[in-house]
Amino acid sequence: RKEVEQDPGPFNVPEGATVAFNCTYSNSASQSFFWYRQDCRKEPKLLMSVYSSGNEDGRFTAQLNRASQYISLLIRDSKLSDSATYLCVVNMYGTASKLTFGTGTRLQVTL
Amino acid sequence: ETGVTQTPRHLVMGMTNKKSLKCEQHLGHNAMYWYKQSAKKPLELMFVYNFKEQTENNSVPSRFSPECPNSSHLFLHLHTLQPEDSALYLCASSQGTPDNSPLHFGNGTRLTVT
Repeated sequence: RKEVEQDPGPFNVPEGATVAFNCTYSNSASQSFFWYRQDCRKEPKLLMSVYSSGNEDGRFTAQLNRASQYISLLIRDSKLSDSATYLCVVNMYGTASKLTFGTGTRLQVTL
Repeated sequence: ETGVTQTPRHLVMGMTNKKSLKCEQHLGHNAMYWYKQSAKKPLELMFVYNFKEQTENNSVPSRFSPECPNSSHLFLHLHTLQPEDSALYLCASSQGTPDNSPLHFGNGTRLTVT
């Protein structure tokens, strides 16, 4: 089983749609979780951290399910500018140096 | 001035060349990292420096040699690379502690080895 696993997509959705991505992780002792966004040929940028109680930032909602070892990202009212690759990142061993990245889920929002 | 800057943006080098990648962070962070991103693969951690001390070498071949003269600067020295080393090399920094501090990436150096 991969340490961090994501559906590579692509997810093709129309503007205004709601889309959700899941990410599973293998190490139950993982302590911190993030979603990063990476545009084509650019560096990854932090989208949001994922907290145990779930958290929301505008149109974006992140949730953590420790029992099933997955995190999710929900995007409501998709915009064309949301088109990017979304990377799931997990702190696998409790130190900053062990952030493990998923391969990313590609989202394409269309008119 | 952006938080983490990398130079050069693009680099083409032959297998016998020696070159260096440079990274500088202006965020007051204590930890700096080198990552490699190849097509269709997740980011691979290469090296970690915490307070200028190397704390991680993720089984990286010796043809990649990092250098961290201070907490703000990080270099990756390259020599006798192979074509499969062609990739996007990303520098990142973080506060270092607490453990859940996120990474801030530079815009990367796209390396092509011919």
